[in-house]
Amino acid sequence: AQTVTQSQPEMSVQEAETVTLSCTYDTSESDYYLFWYKQPPSRQMILVIRQEAYKQQNATENRFSVNFQKAAKSFSLKISDSQLGDAAMYFCAYRSAPFFMRFGAGTRLTVKP
Amino acid sequence: NAGVTQTPKFQVLKTGQSMTLQCAQDMNHNSMYWYRQDPGMGLRLIYYSASEGTTDKGEVPNGYNVSRLNKREFSLRLESAAPSQTSVYFCASSETGNDQPQHFGDGTRLSIL
Repeated sequence: AQTVTQSQPEMSVQEAETVTLSCTYDTSESDYYLFWYKQPPSRQMILVIRQEAYKQQNATENRFSVNFQKAAKSFSLKISDSQLGDAAMYFCAYRSAPFFMRFGAGTRLTVKP
Repeated sequence: NAGVTQTPKFQVLKTGQSMTLQCAQDMNHNSMYWYRQDPGMGLRLIYYSASEGTTDKGEVPNGYNVSRLNKREFSLRLESAAPSQTSVYFCASSETGNDQPQHFGDGTRLSIL
């Protein structure tokens, strides 16, 4: 079974600085999709960014970008110019089979003013 | 635009009581999902409905039943609640396809005493 591992339970960053959240996954599939979701204290799950495994180019959404290393099965999230509103739990997720999305345990990000 | 709406937001039950969690989406999505979120474990899929009229088990289905009432609504029922079912429950919906992100409701915090 595919597994998703987020090895950093907690991270902190100074406002305006850059932070990278790690995610690794285990799969034998060649075609799959990876996602990062943000969960603020409001509990809502918000899609941050999406990466298609067959695309070499790393996905970018404004201040959020990923470093996708397919051979290493690594999918890290970089947040640039961190803002107070970025404080949240961040979940990495993997999806290859229809309807099954596997989530990591999450990383709690604290942003210090 | 409401997106995915879950009711109730909070509930306390006694062991052995039954409860139905309601979920409705207004995005005309074919697929709907129920997850539970426990500390340190991320989200785990309980049941999903690929399309109206179909339901299938996810990763942790024991103790739960679901009903896809129509295209909009997907309910989760606990027939005889147990303390191990204390969790935050999320409903989600998506278009069909592995590349399609799931859109989540705000969650239901359920405590079973």
